[in-house]
Amino acid sequence: DVQLVESGGGLVQPGGSLRLSCVSSGFTFRSFTLNWVRQAPGKGLEWVSYISRSGSPTYYADSVKGRFTISRDDAKNSLYLQMNSLRAEDTAVYYCARDAGYGGYPHSFDIWGQGTMVTVSS
Amino acid sequence: DIQMTQSPSSLSASVGDRVTITCRASQSISIYLNWYQQKPGKAPKLLIYGASNLQSGVPSRFSGSGSGTDFTLTISGLRPEDFATYFCQQTYRTPPVTFGGGTKVEIK
Repeated sequence: DVQLVESGGGLVQPGGSLRLSCVSSGFTFRSFTLNWVRQAPGKGLEWVSYISRSGSPTYYADSVKGRFTISRDDAKNSLYLQMNSLRAEDTAVYYCARDAGYGGYPHSFDIWGQGTMVTVSS
Repeated sequence: DIQMTQSPSSLSASVGDRVTITCRASQSISIYLNWYQQKPGKAPKLLIYGASNLQSGVPSRFSGSGSGTDFTLTISGLRPEDFATYFCQQTYRTPPVTFGGGTKVEIK
C-alpha cells in the first residue's frame, strides 16, 4: 500500500520545539516532492512547507518562515518538520502530503498521511 | 497571495441531488485548480486536478469545470458517502499554495 505515516505531535509550551516525522512506504520516496499542510481545529487547510526531490529548494508559508525547517532523508524514506518558537496559533493537525507529480499540474497532493496533532499551550 | 473564496460555506442536500460548489480566485489562475474531499477526522482526498481532470479511482459523478477565476465542482447524484467538506486549491502562483475555506455538504 502507498502510504505516509506521521508522528511526533503532542503538547508543547509556547516557545518550545517539536520535530514531526513522516515515513513513507509503497512508492519510490526520492522521486516525489513533498509538503506539510496543517489544519487548525474546526478550520480550513493551510499549506506550511514544500521540499523538492533533491532537498533544495524549500519553501515556507510566511506564518512559519524562520521558525520551521523542512528536510528529508531519502535513505530512511522520511520527511521531517522541525518546529521552533511555537505559538498558540500553530496548534493544528499536521499532514504530510505527496505531490502527485502530474507534470503539467504541480502541487496536486494525491497521498496524505493520517495527520499528527500539535497543541501549543501552557 | 492568491485568495480563494468558496460558496456556499455549507449546504444541505438529499441523496440523489445534483450539487454544485463554486470557487473563485482573486486573480486568474488559468486551470490550476484542484478539489479535495475531507471527511471528519480524516485526511483530504484529491478528487479533481487541473480544474477538470478526475483523479484515478474517483467516481465519475464528480466533475469539475472552469478557468480563469471561476470554477465549479459538481456532484451528479449525491450518495451517502459524499457528505463531507470540499476544498478548492490554487496551484498557479506558488508559493504559497492556497486553499478555499471549504464547503460542508450536509444531509437534508
